[in-house]
Amino acid sequence: DTEVTQTPKHLVMGMTNKKSLKCEQHMGHRAMYWYKQKAKKPPELMFVYSYEKLSINESVPSRFSPECPNSSLLNLHLHALQPEDSALYLCASSQDSGDGYEQYFGPGTRLTVT
Amino acid sequence: TQLLEQSPQFLSIQEGENLTVYCNSSSVFSSLQWYRQEPGEGPVLLVTVVTGGEVKKLKRLTFQFGDARKDSSLHITAAQPGDTGLYLCAGRSMAGGTSYGKLTFGQGTILTVHP
Repeated sequence: DTEVTQTPKHLVMGMTNKKSLKCEQHMGHRAMYWYKQKAKKPPELMFVYSYEKLSINESVPSRFSPECPNSSLLNLHLHALQPEDSALYLCASSQDSGDGYEQYFGPGTRLTVT
Repeated sequence: TQLLEQSPQFLSIQEGENLTVYCNSSSVFSSLQWYRQEPGEGPVLLVTVVTGGEVKKLKRLTFQFGDARKDSSLHITAAQPGDTGLYLCAGRSMAGGTSYGKLTFGQGTILTVHP
């Protein structure tokens, strides 16, 4: 089983709203990732969690706040977003963040900021 | 910064034709993954190549990793409409420090196969 699940599938929020994206995997993977993807472009890495600790933050604005409550769950808290933040947000996981481990992606959350 | 140059960016072909997508870099990658993504969905892992010169086949898809592990190709034989999608190559960095473990993505190839 290589399934990563994400909720919600679609999200529309205003610029003053606070919302959260959720990601879950039950493969025993110890690395989890958040990516942002614009249409017809490759995913852009936002955050990496390794063994439940934030290991990489790709200079993401503070209006995006990641959280890893346990080894199976990853959240992305959103606050005061801008319209340009509208994108497909992808979660991925891998057995480890080190070399040689494949990343498996979830189906994504389509976020629209109005 | 490690870059992966993927070509062509767009490919529109008829059902039954063959095609090849290329992924090139001046850097060495420890492994390279190929993904296929349909609109509104997440990328699906097709294959991982690790050894220089390695060739892997997945039905009508053939993947090759260059001898120097700096380039890779995806060849599709007798393309079908179901092959339509965004194809992404992604390499695992061999560098240490802050780039360790990151996936470097190519810009993607949008393939459309017409019936």
